[in-house]
Formats: sequence, structure tokens, C-alpha cells
Amino acid sequence: ETGVTQSPTHLIKTRGQQVTLRCSSQSGHNTVSWYQQALGQGPQFIFQYYREEENGRGNFPPRFSGLQFPNYSSELNVNALELDDSALYLCASSIGLAGSYNEQFFGPGTRLTVL
Amino acid sequence: EDQVTQSPEALRLQEGESSSLNCSYTVSGLRGLFWYRQDPGKGPEFLFTLYSAGEEKEKERLKATLTKKESFLHITAPKPEDSATYLCAVWETSGSRLTFGEGTQLTVNP
Repeated sequence: ETGVTQSPTHLIKTRGQQVTLRCSSQSGHNTVSWYQQALGQGPQFIFQYYREEENGRGNFPPRFSGLQFPNYSSELNVNALELDDSALYLCASSIGLAGSYNEQFFGPGTRLTVL
Repeated sequence: EDQVTQSPEALRLQEGESSSLNCSYTVSGLRGLFWYRQDPGKGPEFLFTLYSAGEEKEKERLKATLTKKESFLHITAPKPEDSATYLCAVWETSGSRLTFGEGTQLTVNP
């Protein structure tokens, strides 16, 4: 059984650029959630995707957007990067209905640095 | 707005010295409370889900309990390999999101 994978592992961008982060869900999982984790803080919920539809969103501006594909893999896109976007971005997959958070499996994260 | 507060922020224990971590929450209705363990540079690892007050779950040296306002993670006779940040997260009935606390950084010295 393959776990949740994310790519790239690390990324350095400059302010104003755009970035795409990728997540491959654990086999059989139909729900993926994305989180932003600043250093020394708990993860903050960005949004959840269920069957390719966004279902639930945290307090993040529209420049944070996502996609979920038919194979349940997912992308997080961030436009117009700001310095405060520097963080560890985590995706988590699970099996369940829309809005469900039962036993999520997290990937190792993508460390984004914005200069 | 949902609030999840964990205490203490950091905890140092000697190997074998039992203790408890606290997670207090303020939500309009609780659907579930989760505990995760996070090692440096890694994603959180699922430990427990608790759904209703009075519920308890155990795994090795860890035991999680839940009341209507807080949850405790009890660590019995910890070992150095239990050193990690422990996160709790709350799933609220009326929302479609998970709210995490800031975590407790646990260090167990040999």
C-alpha cells in the first residue's frame, strides 16, 4: 500500500510568482485536504476536495486554489506569492463523505520558501 | 469561531516519568477530536479519534480521554522515542474543516 506522497520536497520562489504543489493520495482514498503549517505552529486548514469538488475552505484568500483529479491526486496552486506564504504545505487523504475527516493520512509536506 | 488550545507548549520529562497533555476546545458542536504525533520535518501521524464525552482510546504508552470541554493525552512511562510534537484537532458539526491546536512539544530524556 502506497502512502501519501507530495512533490516537490522543497521549493524556493520569489514574491509575486506562482507555485503549484502536488499530492498523490493513498490508494483508495477519495478525499484530500490541504494545510499550511508555519514554523512552530499547528497546521491551518486551507480546503478539502471530495470527488473533484471543493468542499470546505479555511480563512485563505482566493489566490489559494486547488484541483482534485479523477484518480484522486490533487494540486494546490498559489498565485501572487507573498513572504508570509513561506511554510510547510501538507496534504492529507482519507476515505469518507464530503466534509469527513476520519483518520487522515498526511504526506511529508512541501517546504515553500518565498524570498 | 472555533478555538483549540493546547498546554503546555513544551514539556520535558525523564524516561519513565508519566504525564498528561491537555487540549481544550470551544466549538458549537463536536463531531470528533483527533490526536496526531508529528516528528520534525514530517507530516502528522494519526493516533486517535474520540467522538463523545467519556470515550477513551489506548495505544501502547498513550491513552486519550475526552470530556465536553477538553481532551487529555496521558503518557505512561514514556521513552525517548516518544519525543515529538503532539497535535490535537477538532472537527466541528456545523463546519467542513478541521481546526488544529498549536501543539505540545514533548522531549523525553534518557
